Amino acid sequence: GAGVSQSPSNKVTEKGKDVELRCDPISGHTALYWYRQSLGQGLEFLIYFQGNSAPDKSGLPSDRFSAERTGGSVSTLTIQRTQQEDSAVYLCASSLSGYNSPLHFGNGTRLTVT
Amino acid sequence: KQEVTQIPAALSVPEGENLVLNCSFTDSAIYNLQWFRQDPGKGLTSLLLIQSSQREQTSGRLNASLDKSSGRSTLYIAASQPGDSATYLCAVGDTGKLIFGQGTTLQVKP
Repeated sequence: GAGVSQSPSNKVTEKGKDVELRCDPISGHTALYWYRQSLGQGLEFLIYFQGNSAPDKSGLPSDRFSAERTGGSVSTLTIQRTQQEDSAVYLCASSLSGYNSPLHFGNGTRLTVT
Repeated sequence: KQEVTQIPAALSVPEGENLVLNCSFTDSAIYNLQWFRQDPGKGLTSLLLIQSSQREQTSGRLNASLDKSSGRSTLYIAASQPGDSATYLCAVGDTGKLIFGQGTTLQVKP
């Protein structure tokens, strides 16, 4: 079946612009995660959605970052007033029932802020 | 704060060799531990998930063990193949999210 789909695969933007990154999870998966992977760095947790519960936003690095998940399915990560340090690969993952089931990752969106 | 460390950072072995990748974590109050594989330019692929109550999991040539009391996990790869070349990441389940190590980049030479 279809895996986790992320779009766009690559995004180049100018400093100060806003960007939206999209994630389509696997159908039926109740949990959705966003992570960030910078060059030479490990995966940095950003935000976690589980069903209808309030999301865990504890990993968002600043108030320029926000995410929503509409209808328990598609998620959008928005970065306002982008900075060069926001350049990274943004990875989305979903799982059937939360962290106790395997996470399935998309191929990521490579964001470059010039 | 949970911290996950993987040693070594890189490893190169000849084809056919058995090998062990190490993962350690600082807080033993984990829900599970997962091992992933990442190929260049790709997302992560889940390999094995060990629940906190389990000691090991096996899938094909892969075997992962978990010792919560000592804060350690190992991933054993038997009879390595060039196709096993990738970065291997471990992650611990911590109150709803996974905390990742930096990974071990494995190269298996033909």
